Amino acid sequence: AQSVAQPEDQVNVAEGNPLTVKCTYSVSGNPYLFWYVQYPNRGLQFLLKYITGDNLVKGSYGFEAEFNKSQTSFHLKKPSALVSDSALYFCAVRDHSNDYKLSFGAGTTVTVRA
Amino acid sequence: DAGVIQSPRHEVTEMGQEVTLRCKPISGHDYLFWYRQTMMRGLELLIYFNNNVPIDDSGMPEDRFSAKMPNASFSTLKIQPSEPRDSAVYFCASSRGLAGGTYEQYFGPGTRLTVT
Repeated sequence: AQSVAQPEDQVNVAEGNPLTVKCTYSVSGNPYLFWYVQYPNRGLQFLLKYITGDNLVKGSYGFEAEFNKSQTSFHLKKPSALVSDSALYFCAVRDHSNDYKLSFGAGTTVTVRA
Repeated sequence: DAGVIQSPRHEVTEMGQEVTLRCKPISGHDYLFWYRQTMMRGLELLIYFNNNVPIDDSGMPEDRFSAKMPNASFSTLKIQPSEPRDSAVYFCASSRGLAGGTYEQYFGPGTRLTVT
């Protein structure tokens, strides 16, 4: 079975400070990992993904994530947070040997204060 | 591209009534997913289709729920009869199916269902 854990329900940072949203995963094979963001009353928007290759993945809006196989983690990062980054963030995983189902984490609410 | 289109955006109905949610996937995408989002249970996959064929409906909560995809550009999720506990936001998502599933899913804006 595949699963994702987002250990923090909420993350609060000041604008201009680094932002990190944590994610750990569990799969039986090699993982495909995704980050999505959801703004209020909107659908989920794709930010970035790790499939293979370089462990540091760059995505939309200045976000990046680092795949760490030994720690089974895929933390989302942004060097300098903006107030407009305040939203709900989801990590998702699928096992490459599995079907096309994604398992989503519970989500982390990010609040960036001015 | 217009993205994934869902209708209606909001639906308020009384317990016992039939509810039909609609989805138009992105053109060229051959996978379609229906999700439900609630505060208590988070984001749950209900069912997904490949080339209009249901592949996995293990997430469909009960026989009251049914989904169809009569063609590549249209899918419905039906609840009959509806119950207050069905109140949630229902999302449709689509993706390409090549490259071993490495493509990301694109989500629609969702339908907020309230059953009174």
